[in-house]
Amino acid sequence: GENVEQHPSTLSVQEGDSAVIKCTYSDSASNYFPWYKQELGKRPQLIIDIRSNVGEKKDQRIAVTLNKTAKHFSLHITETQPEDSAVYFCAASTETSGSRLTFGEGTQLTVNP
Amino acid sequence: GAGVSQTPSNKVTEKGKYVELRCDPISGHTALYWYRQSLGQGPEFLIYFQGTGAADDSGLPNDRFFAVRPEGSVSTLKIQRTERGDSAVYLCASSLHGQGSYEQYFGPGTRLTVT
Repeated sequence: GENVEQHPSTLSVQEGDSAVIKCTYSDSASNYFPWYKQELGKRPQLIIDIRSNVGEKKDQRIAVTLNKTAKHFSLHITETQPEDSAVYFCAASTETSGSRLTFGEGTQLTVNP
Repeated sequence: GAGVSQTPSNKVTEKGKYVELRCDPISGHTALYWYRQSLGQGPEFLIYFQGTGAADDSGLPNDRFFAVRPEGSVSTLKIQRTERGDSAVYLCASSLHGQGSYEQYFGPGTRLTVT
């Protein structure tokens, strides 16, 4: 089955700096890659996603890139703010699996004021 | 509109007891998923419903776990003879459709503690 690895496990940046989180996946059939933000004690919230037919997607300060050949995708957050502090999860899914999500282990992002 | 809701938000039970966890998906969403999240880890897939049927239950850890969705909307996750290792946050998510890579929206979860 699918395996998703995520790194780093923790990331600390200064406010205004950029943050990058990277994930690799094992199943070449995976075609959907969402990113979730989870604050302590809260539900995972979808912040951005990308499908395998595109290489990059942006939404304001957040962007995701996908390299299908290398089977890795990354989350980029620019101009970080303290409210960006949370755990971020990447995930992958395939249509043939009913779009069940396989998650990475998460990255604890801390943005220091 | 209303998001995914789950009840109860917290459940404390004794080892060996039976528990039921409820999920109300977003109205009109045909796909419903259950995941389990242990402390410090990402959610792990348990079961997926397309309509009323369990299309994929390969993530259920053993036969103590069972889930239903009799009318294609609300779902109940049932755990028999609970064990301390079942303690986790149980998350439900719904999606417009199961096929075609549609976004999944999560509920707030039920925190299950088995003492």
